[in-house]
This record gives sequence, C-alpha cells and structure tokens, in this order.
Amino acid sequence: NAGVTQTPKFRVLKTGQSMTLLCAQDMNHEYMYWYRQDPGMGLRLIHYSVGEGTTAKGEVPDGYNVSRLKKQNFLLGLESAAPSQTSVYFCASRYSGRTNEQYFGPGTRLTVT
Amino acid sequence: DQQVKQNSPSLSVQEGRISILNCDYTNSMFDYFLWYKKYPAEGPTFLISISSIKDKNEDGRFTVFLNKSAKHLSLHIVPSQPGDSAVYFCAASEYGNKLVFGAGTILRVKS
Repeated sequence: NAGVTQTPKFRVLKTGQSMTLLCAQDMNHEYMYWYRQDPGMGLRLIHYSVGEGTTAKGEVPDGYNVSRLKKQNFLLGLESAAPSQTSVYFCASRYSGRTNEQYFGPGTRLTVT
Repeated sequence: DQQVKQNSPSLSVQEGRISILNCDYTNSMFDYFLWYKKYPAEGPTFLISISSIKDKNEDGRFTVFLNKSAKHLSLHIVPSQPGDSAVYFCAASEYGNKLVFGAGTILRVKS
C-alpha cells in the first residue's frame, strides 16, 4: 500500500516549456487535490476533483490544467511554464465525507528558470 | 483575505516542556479543523482534528482546543520531544468542502 505517490520528485524547466505532474493513489479515494506551497503562504489549492472525470478550480488555478481520467490518477499540467510557478507541488486525496482528512504525497519541487 | 491565520512563524521550546501552537480563523461557517505536521522534503501528515461541536480533542501527547466564540484553536504538545520539530499547519473546512490552510508555524524542540 503505497498511499499517494508523485512523479517526478524534482524538475527544472525553462520559461515556456511544458510538463505534466502525475499523482497516483491506491486507497480508492474519491477526492483528489493539487496544492502549491510557497514560503510564508502555506498550501494553496490549485485544482481538485470529486470523482473520476470531474475537475474544478481552486484558489490559484491560472496557468495550470488538470485531468482525472482514472479514479486513481490526477494529472497537473503546465502548458507554458513561468518563473512564478517555481514552487513545491503536493497532491492529496481523501474519502468523501465531512471530516476532510487528506492524505498527501511527498511533493514535487519545480524550478522554472 | 486570509481566512486561517497562524501569526507565529516560529516557536522554540525546551524538550519536556509544553508547546502551544495557535491558529485564528475568520469564517464562522468552518465546522471542522485539522492540524498537519510537515518534515522537510516530505508531504504534510495528518495529526489531529476537531469538529466544531466539540471544544477539546486529545490523542496521546497532542490536544487541540477550540474556542468558537473567539474563532481560535490551539494545539498543545506535552511533553515536547525533539522529533516534534517540524512545520505545523492549521487547516479548516466548511461542510466537507475545500481545506483552507494557515501559513504554518515552525516548531523547534531543543534537547
């Protein structure tokens, strides 16, 4: 039982390049989330999904797209990377319900030069 | 507009003493509160939570207190251990909706 995994762990991009971050969970969770963490700002929600085939915008969605084609996977795409997207990205998942206890992956450190 | 605020960026405590981490919120519709712990180069891990119908929840060395009238919650760690040194995030949600996180407090427990 691996929990939540993220690929890759580190990546350096040049401005304008594109990439996709992969999140996978093996806990059969309905809900999945993408956050970014920046110094002094906590975790901010980028996009989320409440089930296979559904996605919704979070607090800071601009410049990102997501897809949830399979229940266990949630992909985060950057079509044209900008230095402002330099951050640590975390994926999380949880069961449906009100308690909202989310399980996080280990993170992806992305640098855009 | 920060709905969840952790006003202390850092806290230093002696091993064996009590650590108290504080969190304030502005949204009176929040009904569930959580604390997460994060070590460097790892993802946050769930620590303890409390529903708005309670004012205290305890789990071993960790206790969370909720004061709804003051819109304030706190995490008490007794006794503090060096392994507790980490970043602690407070988070809140409304009816199972999205979590809103505070900026975090760095706890250093000195041995």
